[in-house]
Amino acid sequence: DAGVIQSPRHEVTEMGQEVTLRCKPISGHNSLFWYRQTMMRGLELLIYFNNNVPIDDSGMPEDRFSAKMPNASFSTLKIQPSEPRDSAVYFCASNYDDQPQHFGDGTRLSIL
Amino acid sequence: GQQVMQIPQYQHVQEGEDFTTYCNSSTTLSNIQWYKQRPGGHPVFLIQLVKSGEVKKQKRLTFQFGEAKKNSSLHITATQTTDVGTYFCAGLNSNDYKLSFGAGTTVTVRA
Repeated sequence: DAGVIQSPRHEVTEMGQEVTLRCKPISGHNSLFWYRQTMMRGLELLIYFNNNVPIDDSGMPEDRFSAKMPNASFSTLKIQPSEPRDSAVYFCASNYDDQPQHFGDGTRLSIL
Repeated sequence: GQQVMQIPQYQHVQEGEDFTTYCNSSTTLSNIQWYKQRPGGHPVFLIQLVKSGEVKKQKRLTFQFGEAKKNSSLHITATQTTDVGTYFCAGLNSNDYKLSFGAGTTVTVRA
């Protein structure tokens, strides 16, 4: 059974560029989460969706960040314009109701 | 909002020794989950505790949930090099299914 699939695995780009991270949750899961992990701030919840609807985006740092979930099998996290301080590992996770979350392998993002 | 505090942040352990990491929430939790993240990897679910005072074991790992459902601990006996990684506790808010992660305890092992 496929787990949570994220792409790309690595992304290196120059500041000011648009970055799009992608996530395919586990089939049958009804919630999807986007996290950011850095040494300084640890694992931060950015936004989560339930049944494709954004429920809590209070963790989204600023207007440069946006997330969408057009259907149950796909979500994107977009940063525009990107800045060096956005460099981090971005994880997507999914689950069903209150069951444990399954994490993807993450996207390692470096903004130069 | 709900906050989950975890200590210690770092744990350096001699192989074969025991250690414990602690987790405290500012609010009563619906359940608490523990995850392990190996270096360069992603968090992987270990266990979930739901009942007040619950204790669960996985081989050398013992997990406890406090009576008030506000704290938890993970105790590892006879630490091995395979135990290296960061252990996160995460408390579930029953109102919105939002999981709040602690900062994690990063474990290194001296052979």
